[in-house]
Amino acid sequence: AQSVTQPDIHITVSEGASLELRCNYSYGATPYLFWYVQSPGQGLQLLLKYFSGDTLVQGIKGFEAEFKRSQSSFNLRKPSVHWSDAAEYFCAATGNQFYFGTGTSLTVIP
Amino acid sequence: DTGVSQNPRHKITKRGQNVTFRCDPISEHNRLYWYRQTLGQGPEFLTYFQNEAQLEKSRLLSDRFSAERPKGSFSTLEIQRTEQGDSAMYLCASSFMTGSVASGANVLTFGAGSRLTVL
Repeated sequence: AQSVTQPDIHITVSEGASLELRCNYSYGATPYLFWYVQSPGQGLQLLLKYFSGDTLVQGIKGFEAEFKRSQSSFNLRKPSVHWSDAAEYFCAATGNQFYFGTGTSLTVIP
Repeated sequence: DTGVSQNPRHKITKRGQNVTFRCDPISEHNRLYWYRQTLGQGPEFLTYFQNEAQLEKSRLLSDRFSAERPKGSFSTLEIQRTEQGDSAMYLCASSFMTGSVASGANVLTFGAGSRLTVL
């Protein structure tokens, strides 16, 4: 079955520290991959996407993600986290349908 | 363009009542999706339209759920005889896709959602 897994339910980082959020997918072929962010009371906002080509993709707000076919992973990274990055982060993949992971909640401490 | 608009933003209803949510997509988008999101979970796909055609509805949670997009513009999601388990955030998203290719390079733009509370 096609699925997206986000192993970390909740992550806490200090402001200014680096961040990595994990995402693994299970698909018969390479899917198209996305990261979305959701702030309280807001809809989901697209951070970045991977369709093909360069496996390191840059997104908005200083985020990047790296596609690793051998590990079936698409981890999200940011070198220095800001307090405004506190939110829920969702990894998603499309094949015939659009699948979301269960999300990782990010807390940023001063 | 004002993005994807959903109304109402919040709905509180009593069990057994019917509720309807409206979604106005980005005007040039031909695809419209409905998702449900419960606390601590990712969005769960319900159904989607391409123009006025409902191309996938097998994921609608029960026959109490129905969606329409009569003119290929706005869409409504109706839940009949609501139950407490229907309490959730209902998200709408839209995109522009051409041809008959599967989701593929589809990029969804989401609305802020409609939160349903069933008492």
